[in-house]
Amino acid sequence: NAGVTQTPKFQVLKTGQSMTLQCAQDMNHEYMSWYRQDPGMGLRLIHYSVGAGITDQGEVPNGYNVSRSTTEDFPLRLLSAAPSQTSVYFCASSRAHEKRAWADTQYFGPGTRLTVL
Amino acid sequence: AQTVTQSQPEMSVQEAETVTLSCTYDTSESNYYLFWYKQPPSRQMILVIRQEAYKQQNATENRFSVNFQKAAKSFSLKISDSQLGDTAMYFCAFRASNDYKLSFGAGTTVTVRA
Repeated sequence: NAGVTQTPKFQVLKTGQSMTLQCAQDMNHEYMSWYRQDPGMGLRLIHYSVGAGITDQGEVPNGYNVSRSTTEDFPLRLLSAAPSQTSVYFCASSRAHEKRAWADTQYFGPGTRLTVL
Repeated sequence: AQTVTQSQPEMSVQEAETVTLSCTYDTSESNYYLFWYKQPPSRQMILVIRQEAYKQQNATENRFSVNFQKAAKSFSLKISDSQLGDTAMYFCAFRASNDYKLSFGAGTTVTVRA
């Protein structure tokens, strides 16, 4: 049971390049989400999904795309990287059908540190 | 939208002493959950403690306890008998009971001194 995995751990991009951050979970969780962490701002929600084929925007979705073709995977795509997207990115997952606090604890991946030059 | 405020960017505490981190939130929801997450230098996000708004009793997990004041919309975290391994950034987070999304505060960096 690997939990939530993210690849890569580190990435450097040039402005305008595109890339995909990978996220996978093996806990059969329905809910998956992407956050970005910036100094002094905590974690902000980018996109989320409550199941395969269902995605929605969070607080800061601009410049990012997501898709959810399987329960396990939730990739985050940067279409044309900008220096403002330099950040640490976290993927998280949880059960979705039980909303009690302890029953749907969100599990976080180890994060991806992205630098855009 | 919910707003979570952590007014202490940094705190320092001597080993074995107690430190209290403050968190306030703004919401119109009546049912919700509150969380404290720990992020050590490894960057991993670890759930420390959680509180359900409809429960009046404050949650406790070993050396970690909360002071939940619903009317004041305050949710502070107390770390007792601080240990070097408690050195980390701590985030307060909010989630409405009818939602899955977490709203985070800006975080408080706690340094435990030997």
